[in-house]
Amino acid sequence: EVQLVESGGGLVQPGGSLRLSCATSGFTFSSYSLNWVRQAPGEGLEWIAYISSSGGTIYYADSVKGRFTISRDSAKNSLFLQMDSLRVEDTALYYCARVDKLGMLAFDNWGQGTLVTVSS
Amino acid sequence: QSALAQPASVSGSPGQSITISCTGTSNDVGRYNFVSWYQQFPGKAPKVMIYGVSKRPSGISNRFSGSKSGNTASLTISGLRAEDEADYYCSSFTPSSTWVFGGGTRLTVL
Repeated sequence: EVQLVESGGGLVQPGGSLRLSCATSGFTFSSYSLNWVRQAPGEGLEWIAYISSSGGTIYYADSVKGRFTISRDSAKNSLFLQMDSLRVEDTALYYCARVDKLGMLAFDNWGQGTLVTVSS
Repeated sequence: QSALAQPASVSGSPGQSITISCTGTSNDVGRYNFVSWYQQFPGKAPKVMIYGVSKRPSGISNRFSGSKSGNTASLTISGLRAEDEADYYCSSFTPSSTWVFGGGTRLTVL
């Protein structure tokens, strides 16, 4: 069974940092591209970052570019999101999501999310 | 990249069919067949219902179907059931190698 389990969320002050993790199991980690998608309270989904299966290709949404860093560790079968210079508007539930292997660029499996609250 | 446009809400009675539209531009929905639809229940993670405009993942009911015409994609749910009541989001890949989601549609089964 494919599983993605996020952790690392919490309360942080504006300007602070946080590192999210996504532990995966049930599939060959090195074969899949992964993403972070967030959802502000009561709002819709927002894609924020992508990393290819090899880690060699990375893309970010403009809203987080220069502040967030996506990475992955094949030895730990884990995905990470380093979040710096956090803003109030970064408050959201952060999901990790796997990209399908059929080439359809859909998110075929999601974690349950970890909540990040940025507030003074 | 602006969010794809979806109606905020749609409703239908059990057994009826409903369609949710997802309007983008010639640079996203109109350019690629990489449109997918996600179902989300309150407090739960999204679940892919349609990918590649019209393909259903294994285990998804054939009551769910997708299509696209020009810059607008659509999700149709036929034989509406109470259990279909949820939020639905469309998504498209873009030329910037990023993804854009729609604002979401709340489906109410009357």
